[in-house]
Amino acid sequence: LAKTTQPISMDSYEGQEVNITCSHNNIATNDYITWYQQFPSQGPRFIIQGYKTKVTNEVASLFIPADRKSSTLSLPRVSLSDTAVYYCLVGEYHMDTGRRALTFGSGTRLQVQP
Amino acid sequence: DAGVIQSPRHEVTEMGQEVTLRCKPISGHNSLFWYRQTMMRGLELLIYFNNNVPIDDSGMPEDRFSAKMPNASFSTLKIQPSEPRDSAVYFCASRIEGGSGNEQYFGPGTRLTVT
Repeated sequence: LAKTTQPISMDSYEGQEVNITCSHNNIATNDYITWYQQFPSQGPRFIIQGYKTKVTNEVASLFIPADRKSSTLSLPRVSLSDTAVYYCLVGEYHMDTGRRALTFGSGTRLQVQP
Repeated sequence: DAGVIQSPRHEVTEMGQEVTLRCKPISGHNSLFWYRQTMMRGLELLIYFNNNVPIDDSGMPEDRFSAKMPNASFSTLKIQPSEPRDSAVYFCASRIEGGSGNEQYFGPGTRLTVT
């Protein structure tokens, strides 16, 4: 079965750069890779998305290799308020059904310490 | 803009009862998504609509679940009869279809507890 995987958790300190990788081996050809941030008791919030190579906005960068089977979310100089769960979202081909389905990764819990 | 609005925010019900969750998408958005989030299974897409038409309902767990979108500003997710394993947080999200990517705007969710 197709599966979008991420590390369960990561720890960091304020001011450090954090890189979170998502593996998506069965990504659909025309699909973007999208990352979300979720705080407790809130819905996920869009951070960044890209199709290939590198994308940067005011809060993060997204690195996508040529084969697009993985992506890395980079958060520069994290602060305590970046403590949250981070999810990747891709469209994946499911071989058992032959269909494309939007699939969230399992989520990475980032804990930023002072 | 008020964002995606969901109601109720919390729902506690007994097994066997009917539950209806409601969602108002962002005005002008033409795609609407229903997700379920649990500790065990994470975030799962249940169904999504484009221009009020269901496009993919393959994530709907079973016949007890149904979703409707009678117009562009309202959708419901109904569970009948409810079971304890349906306990989860249900999110509604909307976006503008036709643009690139999957930038969706999520509501605050409805926390459902079935006893």
